[in-house]
Amino acid sequence: SQTIHQWPATLVQPVGSPLSLECTVEGTSNPNLYWYRQAAGRGLQLLFYSVGIGQISSEVPQNLSASRPQDRQFILSSKKLLLSDSGFYLCAWSSGTGYNEKLFFGSGTQLSVL
Amino acid sequence: GQNIDQPTEMTATEGAIVQINCTYQTSGFNGLFWYQQHAGEAPTFLSYNVLDGLEEKGRFSSFLSRSKGYSYLLLKELQMKDSASYLCAVLYSSASKIIFGSGTRLSIRP
Repeated sequence: SQTIHQWPATLVQPVGSPLSLECTVEGTSNPNLYWYRQAAGRGLQLLFYSVGIGQISSEVPQNLSASRPQDRQFILSSKKLLLSDSGFYLCAWSSGTGYNEKLFFGSGTQLSVL
Repeated sequence: GQNIDQPTEMTATEGAIVQINCTYQTSGFNGLFWYQQHAGEAPTFLSYNVLDGLEEKGRFSSFLSRSKGYSYLLLKELQMKDSASYLCAVLYSSASKIIFGSGTRLSIRP
């Protein structure tokens, strides 16, 4: 069966520090991968998505970047965090077939930038 | 643009029925998801509609009209545990992009 791992669950970082959030998927190959951010009480904002190794699409210009060094690994990074980067970060994957689709989420990372 | 619109908040009574609407821009549309999310947790999958019509899964049903760019989630026999946010999301096939609406916060009163 397929599983998605995302860590850490919570993170407190000072302004100006770097960030690296990692997400890995098991039990499937060539998944579509997604990073979302959710501010408190708000909806999910699509940050990045990837349909293959090294292929990254950015949705919103911001202080973040993403990489996909391996088929089932998706990394979200920042060189210098801003206060506005605080939020609930969710990694997700889908099969990408377009039929009988389902988006599977990791358990999320609550990031607080102080 | 790919605006997805749904009401911000709704309130309903335990045991009743509630319908949560979602409208979206139809260009590039491939399918529509509904997710449930409790505070502090990841969203959980409810449904994915590709074809027009109503799909029923127990107390929850989802409807889609592709030509009108419209969907709704119908919750029957409401329970207190149904208090949550309900998220509408659209898969745009041209780029495998999945965009979420802002979510509808549903409160159930006894």
